[in-house]
Amino acid sequence: GAVVSQHPSRVICKSGTSVKIECRSLDFQATTMFWYRQFPKQSLMLMATSNEGSKATYEQGVEKDKFLINHASLTLSTLTVTSAHPEDSSFYICSATGTSNTGELFFGEGSRLTVL
Amino acid sequence: KQEVTQIPAALSVPEGENLVLNCSFTDSAIYNLQWFRQDPGKGLTSLLLIQSSQREQTSGRLNASLDKSSGRSTLYIAASQPGDSATYLCAGSGGGADGLTFGKGTHLIIQP
Repeated sequence: GAVVSQHPSRVICKSGTSVKIECRSLDFQATTMFWYRQFPKQSLMLMATSNEGSKATYEQGVEKDKFLINHASLTLSTLTVTSAHPEDSSFYICSATGTSNTGELFFGEGSRLTVL
Repeated sequence: KQEVTQIPAALSVPEGENLVLNCSFTDSAIYNLQWFRQDPGKGLTSLLLIQSSQREQTSGRLNASLDKSSGRSTLYIAASQPGDSATYLCAGSGGGADGLTFGKGTHLIIQP
């Protein structure tokens, strides 16, 4: 099956710093990538949708200036949490869909962000 | 907007039992429905994908059904094992550029 790799798996940073999370599709071209956030004991919530070469579409309530998404190639999308604060601590997961018409989404392993 | 509900929120059963996890969704115009497994602190493992034109999918001891008219999907786990302990999430997609809408999951514990 298709493989999506996410890096880093864990990151701890100080408040006020920026953190970049990468999401790569390893064996397929991902025309669309999605970023989700999961707080403890909560379900995954869609943050934004990114299409290669265009601006990301953010869900209501998600600050686009705080969560910068770049989808510069068909195999790489990045999420940058700018000026991170402790309330941004969460589990971030990316997913990607390829050219198949099944609409199946493939997920990365997730990135645990802890902001001190 | 699609809403996905999972019942029960938690379930604990002895090893060897067959069990059913329930998922309901509000928008019957669903493109597909996926069931996932999530282990603590880990990412998602896709278990089964059911297209809107399908009624069920099977993989090993797992069987998932989809009834669009009633807005329901079930995940049946046969002969449960301790290794099946995890949180099971169902998620619906509207297709195209839509992401998935997730339920809150069912936390399953299989007692040895």
